[in-house]
Amino acid sequence: EIVMTQSPAALSASPGERVTLACRASQSVRTNLAWYQQKPGRAPRLLIYGASTRAAGIPSRFSGRGSGTEFTLTISSLQSEDCALYYCQQYHKSWTFGQGTKVEIK
Amino acid sequence: QVRLVESGGGVVQPGRSLRLSCAASGFTFSTFAMHWVRQAPGKGLEWVAVIAYDGNNQLYTDSVKGRFTVSRDNSKNTVYLQMNGLRVEDTALYYCARDAKQGWDNWGQGTLVTVSS
Repeated sequence: EIVMTQSPAALSASPGERVTLACRASQSVRTNLAWYQQKPGRAPRLLIYGASTRAAGIPSRFSGRGSGTEFTLTISSLQSEDCALYYCQQYHKSWTFGQGTKVEIK
Repeated sequence: QVRLVESGGGVVQPGRSLRLSCAASGFTFSTFAMHWVRQAPGKGLEWVAVIAYDGNNQLYTDSVKGRFTVSRDNSKNTVYLQMNGLRVEDTALYYCARDAKQGWDNWGQGTLVTVSS
């Protein structure tokens, strides 16, 4: 099984700040990596697929980078509505998720 | 628009069975693989099972192999998860999700399964 490890577990940032979330795979997943946002009481929402392609309707402040085993999700200017849990998911071999990063607003 | 609606959750004793359903609308259901994924209370996401677009292939996470069965009826635009031999650790919110081949682009709202004596 490919293990996905996200860091940090939680972060707090001010509105307008740039934040970067990390995701590491235990073996190469090439660019078969997606990011999801989950708000309390809601289902996850696809943000990024193919490591760097924004899903339909996702604001341009969200961007993804990486390949192989190291990936990042960046929010260029944090908004209050971005408070959520963020999960990475590999779909290279079966499907596994990271444990999530909680993003809070200061 | 795409809509996925899960149902069938509830409270059940350990060892008993439950069948979840996920009704799809707003897209050509028979052309998409479908997943079940679960989230235990306060925990992260765990992939459970997938069924191919035509129902001919299924895969399961190790912890449910031999106990859970995923199936679909493309004439009813519905995917099912038959859960037998339920355990306390199966307690979770169960989501169905559409496989867009690059990520899962639509999710239902989830149905809660609680396994407790």
